[in-house]
Amino acid sequence: SQTIHQWPATLVQPVGSPLSLECTVEGTSNPNLYWYRQAAGRGLQLLFYSVGIGQISSEVPQNLSASRPQDRQFILSSKKLLLSDSGFYLCAWSVMAGRNYGYTFGSGTRLTVV
Amino acid sequence: DQQVKQNSPSLSVQEGRISILNCDYTNSMFDYFLWYKKYPAEGPTFLISISSIKDKNEDGRFTVFLNKSAKHLSLHIVPSQPGDSAVYFCAASVVDDYKLSFGAGTTVTVRA
Repeated sequence: SQTIHQWPATLVQPVGSPLSLECTVEGTSNPNLYWYRQAAGRGLQLLFYSVGIGQISSEVPQNLSASRPQDRQFILSSKKLLLSDSGFYLCAWSVMAGRNYGYTFGSGTRLTVV
Repeated sequence: DQQVKQNSPSLSVQEGRISILNCDYTNSMFDYFLWYKKYPAEGPTFLISISSIKDKNEDGRFTVFLNKSAKHLSLHIVPSQPGDSAVYFCAASVVDDYKLSFGAGTTVTVRA
């Protein structure tokens, strides 16, 4: 069965510090991978998506970057965090299986920038 | 530009009664719609979906209705249970596009 792991679960970082959030998927090959953010009181905003190794698409301009060094690994990074980067970050994967484009989400990372 | 809108940020319903969550969309190219349920500090989980070729899909206590002419869909939960207390997200996709657009979510509270 497919599983998705995301860590850490919570993170408190000072402004200006770097960030690295990791997401790995097991039990599937060549998944589409996504990073979403849920800011306080807001919905899910797509940040990045990837359809293959080294292929990253950004949905919104921001202080963050993403990388996919391996087929089932997706990393969200920042060189210098801003207060506005605080939020709940979610990794997700999907496959183009028939008409079901549903995502499977990880358990999320609560990032607080102080 | 928010293409999927959930205009009710919260809903309170008594246990055993019906919960009705609404979702509107602006992109006429959307052809697949999903509902996700999210508990605090957890990732959303898939609940139910509907293709644009249908106007209703039912799964146990959950039914999704789609009105394409109005660009509107709704989720009915009957009967509502305390475990249904969560945030519900509406999502939509365009044919052959694997990206989902999400609404802002509706927080449902089921009162005992």
